[in-house]
Amino acid sequence: ELKVEQNPLFLSMQEGKNYTIYCDYSTTSDRLYWYRQDPGKSLESLFVLLSNGAVKQEGRLMASLDTKARLSTLHITAAVHDLSATYFCAVDRTGGSNYKLTFGKGTLLTVNP
Amino acid sequence: DADVTQTPRNRITKTGKRIMLECSQTKGHDRMYWYRQDPGLGLRLIYYSFDVKDINKGEISDGYSVSRQAQAKFSLSLESAIPNQTALYFCATSANDYSGIAQYFGPGTRLTVL
Repeated sequence: ELKVEQNPLFLSMQEGKNYTIYCDYSTTSDRLYWYRQDPGKSLESLFVLLSNGAVKQEGRLMASLDTKARLSTLHITAAVHDLSATYFCAVDRTGGSNYKLTFGKGTLLTVNP
Repeated sequence: DADVTQTPRNRITKTGKRIMLECSQTKGHDRMYWYRQDPGLGLRLIYYSFDVKDINKGEISDGYSVSRQAQAKFSLSLESAIPNQTALYFCATSANDYSGIAQYFGPGTRLTVL
């Protein structure tokens, strides 16, 4: 059974600081997705990582994937309040067919002024 | 107009009642999914469908059934609702390919079973 663990589950940080969210998974997969969810809202796709060594950046967020270590990271640079949300990683457990995603429990990020 | 719509957006019902949640999409995607989200548990897959004639159980299908009425419509039914089915339900869609495009989520339905 594929297990996906995110750390930390709760993150409170100050504006301007840097931090990293980790997503570990237990079985082989080379596809990983990051989503953002604002309170009471739907999930919005942030990044799609499709191979070992993949790195994607959008604004203050950068995601990477190490399939050998079974680890993805979401790095936040110079956090701003607008980044406050819950972030989920999801691992494709179908060998690339993208129809069975196992989600982590989510990291609730709060950015304080 | 939204690409994926869910109705109702909020629903309160009583134990033992039958309830249907509906999902419609205009994205032209073949694949559709139903997930539930519980606080602190992430999202879990209930059912998924590749097309009208291909429907599959997900991780937590017990107590649920689905119907794919058309390529664009996928409904989730709770035949006899129970309180532990209180959750936020999401419909999602994706293209039927291997390019790795992310699943696209609807706005969600908040269901409360009393």
